[in-house]
Amino acid sequence: SQTIHQWPATLVQPVGSPLSLECTVEGTSNPNLYWYRQAAGRGLQLLFYSVGIGQISSEVPQNLSASRPQDRQFILSSKKLLLSDSGFYLCAWRVRGSYEQYFGPGTRLTVT
Amino acid sequence: EDQVTQSPEALRLQEGESSSLNCSYTVSGLRGLFWYRQDPGKGPEFLFTLYSAGEEKEKERLKATLTKKESFLHITAPKPEDSATYLCAVQAGSSNTGKLIFGQGTTLQVKP
Repeated sequence: SQTIHQWPATLVQPVGSPLSLECTVEGTSNPNLYWYRQAAGRGLQLLFYSVGIGQISSEVPQNLSASRPQDRQFILSSKKLLLSDSGFYLCAWRVRGSYEQYFGPGTRLTVT
Repeated sequence: EDQVTQSPEALRLQEGESSSLNCSYTVSGLRGLFWYRQDPGKGPEFLFTLYSAGEEKEKERLKATLTKKESFLHITAPKPEDSATYLCAVQAGSSNTGKLIFGQGTTLQVKP
């Protein structure tokens, strides 16, 4: 069966510090991968998606970037965090040819 | 512009009191409508996919229905463990990448 992991689970970082969040998927090959952000009391906003290694598309221009160095690994990064980067970050995967997306446990980021 | 609106924002029910959650959508060519359940501090859990008007899906006390403009999530005789935020999302026909557009969610509280 497929499993998705995210780490860390929680993170508190000062403004201006770098960020690296990691997502890995097990039990499937060549998935589509997604990064979403969920701000308090708001819906999920798609940040990045990837259809393959090294292929990244950005949905919202912002202070963040994404990379996919391996087939089942997706990384969200920032060189300098802003207060507005605080939120709940969710990674999701989808089997090509199907429609359903499955989410990871999320990372709670607080920028102070 | 593709859009998803959920109502009500919050719903309080007594155990056993059946009700419905609404998801209205405006999308150019619906590929799929999705319902997720999200517990506090966790990632969304996939519940249902609906593809065409008239389709219905059931799981335990939950039943999802779809028309050309909206979807309903019916909760029959809810229990306290059904308390969660329920998210609705759509995938537009113009999207080949699986991008989901989410509503803001309905937070359900079921009191014993």
